[in-house]
Amino acid sequence: DAGVTQSPTHLIKTRGQQVTLRCSPKSGHDTVSWYQQALGQGPQFIFQYYEEEERQRGNFPDRFSGHQFPNYSSELNVNALLLGDSALYLCASRSPGQGTYGYTFGSGTRLTVV
Amino acid sequence: RKEVEQDPGPFNVPEGATVAFNCTYSNSASQSFFWYRQDCRKEPKLLMSVYSSGNEDGRFTAQLNRASQYISLLIRDSKLSDSATYLCVVIMEYGNKLVFGAGTILRVKS
Repeated sequence: DAGVTQSPTHLIKTRGQQVTLRCSPKSGHDTVSWYQQALGQGPQFIFQYYEEEERQRGNFPDRFSGHQFPNYSSELNVNALLLGDSALYLCASRSPGQGTYGYTFGSGTRLTVV
Repeated sequence: RKEVEQDPGPFNVPEGATVAFNCTYSNSASQSFFWYRQDCRKEPKLLMSVYSSGNEDGRFTAQLNRASQYISLLIRDSKLSDSATYLCVVIMEYGNKLVFGAGTILRVKS
C-alpha cells in the first residue's frame, strides 16, 4: 500500500519563477494538507483541501495557491519565487474516519530558490 | 508569542540516559496534542498522542497539563536510534491544521 507520494523530490528554481509541486495521497485518504518547513524550523501549515476546495489556510501570501483533483491528488503552486521560499514542502493526507490521528506525511519536495 | 514553543536544543546525552523535553502552547482552546519524530531530511512521523492522564509506550512517556498548557516527553534508557528531532504538535480544532513547534534535536552518543 503506497503511502503519500510527492514529486519531484528536489527542485532548483530561480527567483521570480513559478513552481508546481504534486502530491498523491495515501489510498483511502481524501483530505490533503500542505506544509512548509524551513531549515531548523517546524513545519508551517499552508492550506488544506477537501472535496476539491480549500478548507483552511495558514498565514501565507496569495503567491501560494493549490488545487485538488477528483482523484484526491493535489498540487501546490508558488508564483514569483523568493529566496525565502527555499524549504522542504510536505504533503499530508488523512481519511475521514481517522480524525486527528490519521495524518500521513510524504517525504517532501526540497525546493531551492537561487 | 509562538503558538507552540519547545526547549531549545540540541540535547547531547549518552546511551542509557533519561532525557525530558518540554513544550508549551498558547491557545487554551487547543484540543489534541502529539509528539512527532523527524529524522534528518525525512518527513515527520507520529511518535505518540498525549493525554491528560499521561500515556506510556515502552521507553516513552508523554504527559499533558491543560491548566499550565504544558506538554512533556520523557525518554528512558536512550538508544543511538533515538537520535532525531522531536516535534511538539497541537491541533486547535478537530481534524484541522497541525501546529508544530520548532523541534528539539536529540543526539544520543555511545
